[in-house]
Amino acid sequence: GESVGLHLPTLSVQEGDNSIINCAYSNSASDYFIWYKQESGKGPQFIIDIRSNMDKRQGQRVTVLLNKTVKHLSLQIAATQPGDSAVYFCAENTNDYKLSFGAGTTVTVRA
Amino acid sequence: GAVVSQHPSWVICKSGTSVKIECRSLDFQATTMFWYRQFPKQSLMLMATSNEGSKATYEQGVEKDKFLINHASLTLSTLTVTSAHPEDSSFYICSARGTSGRAVGYNEQFFGPGTRLTVL
Repeated sequence: GESVGLHLPTLSVQEGDNSIINCAYSNSASDYFIWYKQESGKGPQFIIDIRSNMDKRQGQRVTVLLNKTVKHLSLQIAATQPGDSAVYFCAENTNDYKLSFGAGTTVTVRA
Repeated sequence: GAVVSQHPSWVICKSGTSVKIECRSLDFQATTMFWYRQFPKQSLMLMATSNEGSKATYEQGVEKDKFLINHASLTLSTLTVTSAHPEDSSFYICSARGTSGRAVGYNEQFFGPGTRLTVL
């Protein structure tokens, strides 16, 4: 079946640099996407979301970009900090309000 | 706002016993709660969707008689792992979808902190 996937499983970034995490989705009918951050042993934490009628949305230090033409989603984190080290998941809204999660990208911030 | 709790945070049990995990929405009413399972270094896999006052809907491959779900109120859903075996050891996470506000239009789900189940 169609599912959300990731381009890279791990990302190492220098503290202070910007991070870009990518996600590919295959369900063209998906209309809502969310990025979650999960720290070890904890539940996912909402970061930012975007609806399919938008191509960019900004939050505090984070920006989500949506390219529906190539079915690609990205999360940009500005000035990455040690506290940003975590696993990041993109999730796709399918039917009946179910979310389909990607495999996850582990972000490690180097001091 | 939008806080979801789970209890217990971790549990260790013997093979063959049953374990109940609670999921509560603390400051909002959740008409729908979702139960996920996450194995180490893997993604979240949806197990079932729980609607208040009705039977849960299970995903393909999830045994409904093994994973009993009850959603008796707008703030509480429980997952009971019956006759647990070592292969049921996992991180169980619930999420709740609100009945009003931004969550209605955006399908924003609020996640609990998870419950680590270890079956010996």
